[in-house]
Amino acid sequence: NAGVTQTPKFRILKIGQSMTLQCAQDMNHNYMYWYRQDPGMGLKLIYYSVGAGITDKGEVPNGYNVSRSTTEDFPLRLELAAPSQTSVYFCASSYFGPHEQYFGPGTRLTVT
Amino acid sequence: AQRVTQPEKLLSVFKGAPVELKCNYSYSGSPELFWYVQYSRQRLQLLLRHISRESIKGFTADLNKGETSFHLKKPFAQEEDSAMYYCALSGGRGAGGTSYGKLTFGQGTILTVHP
Repeated sequence: NAGVTQTPKFRILKIGQSMTLQCAQDMNHNYMYWYRQDPGMGLKLIYYSVGAGITDKGEVPNGYNVSRSTTEDFPLRLELAAPSQTSVYFCASSYFGPHEQYFGPGTRLTVT
Repeated sequence: AQRVTQPEKLLSVFKGAPVELKCNYSYSGSPELFWYVQYSRQRLQLLLRHISRESIKGFTADLNKGETSFHLKKPFAQEEDSAMYYCALSGGRGAGGTSYGKLTFGQGTILTVHP
């Protein structure tokens, strides 16, 4: 199993551009999560999903959108990128809510 | 609102010395607490969870509800323990008591174990 995969690994965006961060898992997990990690800070939850077709906001959802059309994929969309969105983005999944979360390797995004 | 505080950003010890990484939390319900670790060039991964009451790689953590703490301890640190450690709390239940597993992370503690 590949586990949780994320693409791209690195990306530089100009202010106002848009992009989609891809996340996929092959463990048949129901729950998936997107976090961002700013320097010196812990991870903050952006959005999460408890199954295909079901998504909900986390702590810092502004400026992002998600969709969950399949169990495997959970892309994160950035519209109109801003410098404040410069961060490392982690995707995670778990079989069930309180269970262990498995993390992807992260995407480092810079908005200039 | 739930909050997790790790007061030490950096912690340095020598090999063989005891180590304690502090974690305090704020949560009105019954918390589920975890320690996650990220070794150099590796993914963030679960180290242990309070509900399991287990020792992983010599580390233990006891939930102290009176002091709202979940400190991570190891009696004899090893160089391979050097990593970033995050304390995390899972709370927030939906209708029917379902836990969605949304984690609130502390700021993290970088542990360096010197030879």
